[in-house]
Order: sequence, then C-alpha cells, then structure tokens
Amino acid sequence: GAVVSQHPSRVICKSGTSVKIECRSLDFQATTMFWYRQFPKKSLMLMATSNEGSKATYEQGVEKDKFLINHASLTLSTLTVTSAHPEDSSFYICSASGIQETQYFGPGTRLLVL
Amino acid sequence: QQQVKQSPQSLIVQKGGISIINCAYENTAFDYFPWYQQFPGKGPALLIAIRPDVSEKKEGRFTISFNKSAKQFSLHIMDSQPGDSATYFCAASQGFGNEKLTFGTGTRLTIIP
Repeated sequence: GAVVSQHPSRVICKSGTSVKIECRSLDFQATTMFWYRQFPKKSLMLMATSNEGSKATYEQGVEKDKFLINHASLTLSTLTVTSAHPEDSSFYICSASGIQETQYFGPGTRLLVL
Repeated sequence: QQQVKQSPQSLIVQKGGISIINCAYENTAFDYFPWYQQFPGKGPALLIAIRPDVSEKKEGRFTISFNKSAKQFSLHIMDSQPGDSATYFCAASQGFGNEKLTFGTGTRLTIIP
C-alpha cells in the first residue's frame, strides 16, 4: 500500500508554545488529507479535512484558530497546535488519499504538553 | 445516524480459532466499509474493505461479511495468531475512501496460545 509519514513521531513542549506536525504522502499525490485525534484506548476522532490548495473543513467543536491546518502541496499537510495546553496532549494521526482511492494512515504523532 | 456501533469491546480468542467482530450502521448512504488494524503507538493500517454490491470479501485469513438489509458487517479472522493481537476498527463512508470516515469504537483482540 501507499506510504504516509508523520514528523515528529513524538514531541514534548511547554504550555503556551506552538507545535507543528507534518504529514507527507511519500509515493502518491494526496488530493485529500485528514487529521484525527485519538485518546488512549479510544477511537479516532476526525478533526478536519483538507484538500490541496483549499481551506480545511473542521468538524464541529474543533477550534480552527487553535488547530491550524495547511495543505499547500499534493504531498504535504501540516497541523499546527497553537498555544498548546496540557489538555491538547494526545495522539494525532493524519491520513491521505488520492482521487478515488482509499485512505492511508500515518504512524501518528504523540504530543505531550507540560 | 452517523454512528457506527462496534462489538465486542474486547475479545480473547485461542490461537487457531476464529475471531469475529461485528459492526452496525444507521446511515443508508454509507457505501464503503473498511476495517483497520492498529497496534499500540502506531497508526491504523487498512486490512480489508467492502462495497455493498457484494455480501462477502475474502483476503487471506480475513473475511468481511456484509448484510445490507440488516445494515451490519463483520470481520472474521480465521486461524487467529498471536500476531493478530491488536485493536480493530470498522469504519464507513459515503463514496470512496477519500471521503470522511466514521469509525466504530474499536475492539481489542487478544490471541492466547
């Protein structure tokens, strides 16, 4: 299957700082990328959907000013957690898909905000 | 109506046995049903997927059974192995995989020797 990478795999930051997470499709062009959040032993919660060159569509209850998503190219999307707080600590996972293709997930990024 | 209900929450199966996980949905507009396998600390990996025009799809030891009238689908893992121990998520979407997925709550599968 197609490969999706995320960087960093884990990050620790101080409260109030911003953290950027990158999601890359390594061997295909991703017209759509999704960002999920997963709490321990829980299911994946969709945060937003982004199409290349367009503004992201956020799910209800997700603060777009806090979770900034950029999908500037067909192989890269970024999620920036602005002014992070301990409650933002979570496992963030991206997925990517091409036109008429299935979603392939990245390995996830574990964020810990102190 | 967007929910996908998954059961059981956890499952213990002996090595060599059959693992069965069930999902049910409400939204009749869903027409793509994938199953994902997730190991701790990793992202989900696509296992197998089905569209409503078939009632069963088999890939190796993994089989999806689909009942359109009952709005249910299930994953069967034949000859379950310890390496199959993971969390399994069913999902559903309208259109193909590049559409928004609605995930089930997950099943933690443990295969014992």
